[in-house]
Amino acid sequence: SQQGEEDPQALSIQEGENATMNCSYKTSINNLQWYRQNSGRGLVHLILIRSNEREKHSGRLRVTLDTSKKSSSLLITASRAADTASYFCATGNNNNDMRFGAGTRLTVKP
Amino acid sequence: EPEVTQTPSHQVTQMGQEVILRCVPISNHLYFYWYRQILGQKVEFLVSFYNNEISEKSEIFDDQFSVERPDGSNFTLKIRSTKLEDSAMYFCASRRSTSVNEQFFGPGTRLTVL
Repeated sequence: SQQGEEDPQALSIQEGENATMNCSYKTSINNLQWYRQNSGRGLVHLILIRSNEREKHSGRLRVTLDTSKKSSSLLITASRAADTASYFCATGNNNNDMRFGAGTRLTVKP
Repeated sequence: EPEVTQTPSHQVTQMGQEVILRCVPISNHLYFYWYRQILGQKVEFLVSFYNNEISEKSEIFDDQFSVERPDGSNFTLKIRSTKLEDSAMYFCASRRSTSVNEQFFGPGTRLTVL
């Protein structure tokens, strides 16, 4: 299946710590994207990494992509209570159609 | 900043009734999508739409579902005869062009089928 699978399913950390979430997928992809969803709300795009890229940064976010292992990781540094949300990876094919994983529920305790 | 909008925010309907969920994608976007998310579960792809026709649809998108772009701005999802298991959040998304870029999501419509 093209869709990503995140782990862990849930992650609880203290404010200031780093949070790492992983995503694995099974087929070839064109790109991989990470989204955030606050409880009961819509999805907010965080970052996109293309299949020929290995690492990308955006503010406190760092995404890596290893196409040989078919995996990606999202690192949030110096976490804040406001980072509490669900984080989803989504794999994009050559048509840029996306398939989402089940998500990681991150809780950052103040 | 332009955004995708969806109406209504919450729709309650009786089983067997038809519902139409409405979306207004970002104006210069060309690709449109519907997803659903059953409470506490993952976001599931339903259908993609480009150039006034369906590009791809999932196995969830059966004959009970249809999409339409009736007037060049709205993008609708119709469920002909709702079932209890159709209760979910329905998200519309749009994308600008053929180049690789992100999809912009609306805030969702919560559909409750009683």
